[in-house]
Amino acid sequence: ETGVTQSPTHLIKTRGQQVTLRCSSQSGHNTVSWYQQALGQGPQFIFQYYREEENGRGNFPPRFSGLQFPNYSSELNVNALELDDSALYLCASSQAGGPYNEQFFGPGTRLTVL
Amino acid sequence: SQQGEEDPQALSIQEGENATMNCSYKTSINNLQWYRQNSGRGLVHLILIRSNEREKHSGRLRVTLDTSKKSSSLLITASRAADTASYFCATIYNQGGKLIFGQGTELSVKP
Repeated sequence: ETGVTQSPTHLIKTRGQQVTLRCSSQSGHNTVSWYQQALGQGPQFIFQYYREEENGRGNFPPRFSGLQFPNYSSELNVNALELDDSALYLCASSQAGGPYNEQFFGPGTRLTVL
Repeated sequence: SQQGEEDPQALSIQEGENATMNCSYKTSINNLQWYRQNSGRGLVHLILIRSNEREKHSGRLRVTLDTSKKSSSLLITASRAADTASYFCATIYNQGGKLIFGQGTELSVKP
């Protein structure tokens, strides 16, 4: 186990709704990255947070937003859900400035949009 | 878009055999990492190889990196049924950067 936790495990929403996913980073890590993994695909980078600021963003629309809190935990918010948002959402924590940038992943949240 | 491609997309072998998966990427990298994923759950970090390294071992895993060909391979020796999973390579450009994943190889090890 990596020490990274995510909640909830599963979530079912309908199109147009909003969702908030949560991630607690591993102790000692100050950076959280979020990834979206569609079925049968590799994870795709959504954005990264470092010291409560967004520190890089992938090719996702503004309705994907996030927060990082002083304890380095993080939230991913998605507004106006679309069917294509159905995916496994993974967060990963790491220690900025570490020599190797190993990222440690949580178990993921499975989001289904109907 | 994803950085790399993995080959093969699916691999089925018998227990005890070796499994080799390949990964190609497009741009220069800081390091390359391999991950395992069981049944659509979280990713487990297996091994990291830096751009100035050519080969690395960890238990039954052997990873090679050829930066001139922009490719890497993961070898699992003496495979077990418990190795059945999807395997992903991921590259990172620079310190603090994002991981860019390939599409993965689905490995099935039959007892």
